[in-house]
Amino acid sequence: DAGITQSPRYKITETGRQVTLMCHQTWSHSYMFWYRQDLGHGLRLIYYSAAADITDKGEVPDGYVVSRSKTENFPLTLESATRSQTSVYFCASSQGTVYGYTFGSGTRLTVV
Amino acid sequence: QKEVEQNSGPLSVPEGAIASLNCTYSDRGSQSFFWYRQYSGKSPELIMSIYSNGDKEDGRFTAQLNKASQYVSLLIRDSQPSDSATYLCAVRTGGQNFVFGPGTRLSVLP
Repeated sequence: DAGITQSPRYKITETGRQVTLMCHQTWSHSYMFWYRQDLGHGLRLIYYSAAADITDKGEVPDGYVVSRSKTENFPLTLESATRSQTSVYFCASSQGTVYGYTFGSGTRLTVV
Repeated sequence: QKEVEQNSGPLSVPEGAIASLNCTYSDRGSQSFFWYRQYSGKSPELIMSIYSNGDKEDGRFTAQLNKASQYVSLLIRDSQPSDSATYLCAVRTGGQNFVFGPGTRLSVLP
């Protein structure tokens, strides 16, 4: 299917575990982003990527790792999950500087 | 720190009325402005973009930008219950990154 897809939709994990959230887009957009959305904080940028093998930190990168070996994939890894990382995570992509983002459907992550 | 502010709401309007959503931003160098709609439990959906001072209309939606006042607004004419959602203002302050406002929750009453 064309578009941007995230998996899983829901995930429950234990404190200290490593977990990877997947993001895949079929448009060949250069730019991809990871946001988390929390009540009281809105959408906050975790990491972004301008192209394959180019990534950079956003506002709240601590505790997260990203990679982008292929243009279409941008996984987000929580190396050792903490309860404060309980959130809804959105992946987004964009064609370029004058365009808005298209968001994936989100992953609701609960760390217990 | 670059900031984008919105009234959190809820903003309640009767069906058929005009809903007016406002957003202010701190970075005078901002170039691109976007409005997203987010239904509860769903992802944000782009509904409007505006880059130049003035008004931009798209169906029932009008975006207004005033760079001198660092102010962007979204008007929704003939509001419908299906417009009930949270509206996020996003400002591109440089490069590819947006700063999102906290969102305004709109409730359209039948």
